[in-house]
Amino acid sequence: NAGVTQTPKFQVLKTGQSMTLQCAQDMNHEYMSWYRQDPGMGLRLIHYSVGAGITDQGEVPNGYNVSRSTTEDFPLRLLSAAPSQTSVYFCASRERATYNEQFFGPGTRLTVL
Amino acid sequence: SQQGEEDPQALSIQEGENATMNCSYKTSINNLQWYRQNSGRGLVHLILIRSNEREKHSGRLRVTLDTSKKSSSLLITASRAADTASYFCATDAEQAGTALIFGKGTTLSVSS
Repeated sequence: NAGVTQTPKFQVLKTGQSMTLQCAQDMNHEYMSWYRQDPGMGLRLIHYSVGAGITDQGEVPNGYNVSRSTTEDFPLRLLSAAPSQTSVYFCASRERATYNEQFFGPGTRLTVL
Repeated sequence: SQQGEEDPQALSIQEGENATMNCSYKTSINNLQWYRQNSGRGLVHLILIRSNEREKHSGRLRVTLDTSKKSSSLLITASRAADTASYFCATDAEQAGTALIFGKGTTLSVSS
């Protein structure tokens, strides 16, 4: 199994550009989440999904959209990039059952100029 | 706001010493998990403790949970230089269909 994969690994955008961060998992996990990590802030939840067709907002959803058309994929869209969105983005997945660990992708390092 | 808050923010110790990190959280939980992150990498799961458990061990790791105080601690015994990393607690709320919420982490430096 590849686990949780994210592309790209690095990206530089100009203010106002849009882009999609890709996330895929091959473990048939129902739960998937996107986090951003900034220095001194830990991981903050952006959006999450508990199954195909179901998404919900996390702590910092503004400026981001998600969709979950399949169990495997959970892309994160930046609508109009801003310098405040410069961060490292992590996608994660886990099984529905309560007592299960979460698996993380390697992260996407995004810089918005 | 974030559910978990780790303490201390940073910890520096010598190899062979024990390292203790604490986590406090706000709402009722099903379980609490600890993760490790090496510099520039994704997070890796270390240990999970259920809300009805008080203590759990895994190798050199010992986790305690006090639900009355809404707090947990992670003890790493006989630390090694390879334990240098950031450590995060994550809470799984009692309410079903929610995501794990992470704290800000403790950065541990172990020098040889």
